[in-house]
Amino acid sequence: AQRVTQPEKLLSVFKGAPVELKCNYSYSGSPELFWYVQYSRQRLQLLLRHISRESIKGFTADLNKGETSFHLKKPFAQEEDSAMYYCALNYGGSQGNLIFGKGTKLSVKP
Amino acid sequence: GAGVSQSPRYKVAKRGQDVALRCDPISGHVSLFWYQQALGQGPEFLTYFQNEAQLDKSGLPSDRFFAERPEGSVSTLKIQRTQQEDSAVYLCASRRLTSGRAYGRGDQFFGPGTRLTVL
Repeated sequence: AQRVTQPEKLLSVFKGAPVELKCNYSYSGSPELFWYVQYSRQRLQLLLRHISRESIKGFTADLNKGETSFHLKKPFAQEEDSAMYYCALNYGGSQGNLIFGKGTKLSVKP
Repeated sequence: GAGVSQSPRYKVAKRGQDVALRCDPISGHVSLFWYQQALGQGPEFLTYFQNEAQLDKSGLPSDRFFAERPEGSVSTLKIQRTQQEDSAVYLCASRRLTSGRAYGRGDQFFGPGTRLTVL
């Protein structure tokens, strides 16, 4: 069965430190993965998608099919990066249903 | 343009009451999803519409949950005889239907959610 695991509930780093939010998935098909972010008092919004291989706000994520991982990384964390981060997997094929992990709360301290 | 909107933003219901939650998707978005997000959890899929057709309702937790989208735009999620375990944030998302190689794919845009508390 499909599953998304985010092992860290809370990640706390200092400003300027590197950050890595872990995401592992279980899926028998060809995965389509996303990272969503929710800033305080704001709605859930797409941060990046693996298929685009893009960098948004300094964040990158590489799909590693061998390790079934899609970790989110940023070399130098900023205070404004503090938010909830959710990893999501499209398991619905053309329909596009998403399975989300439980989320990781990132706290960047000054 | 305007994003996905949901109303009400907060709803408190007594156990046993019926509630109706509304979602206004982005204009022109064909696909619409409902998710339930319990405290401390990620969103969980409830149901999916393509235009007015409800193509997937596999995530609805019980027959007390009912969703409709009669004209292929606004959608309503109805919960009958609410229970305490129904307390959650209900999220709506819409997506532009893509074609060609990317058919069915595309980004989901989320609404702000309705926080339902059942006492």
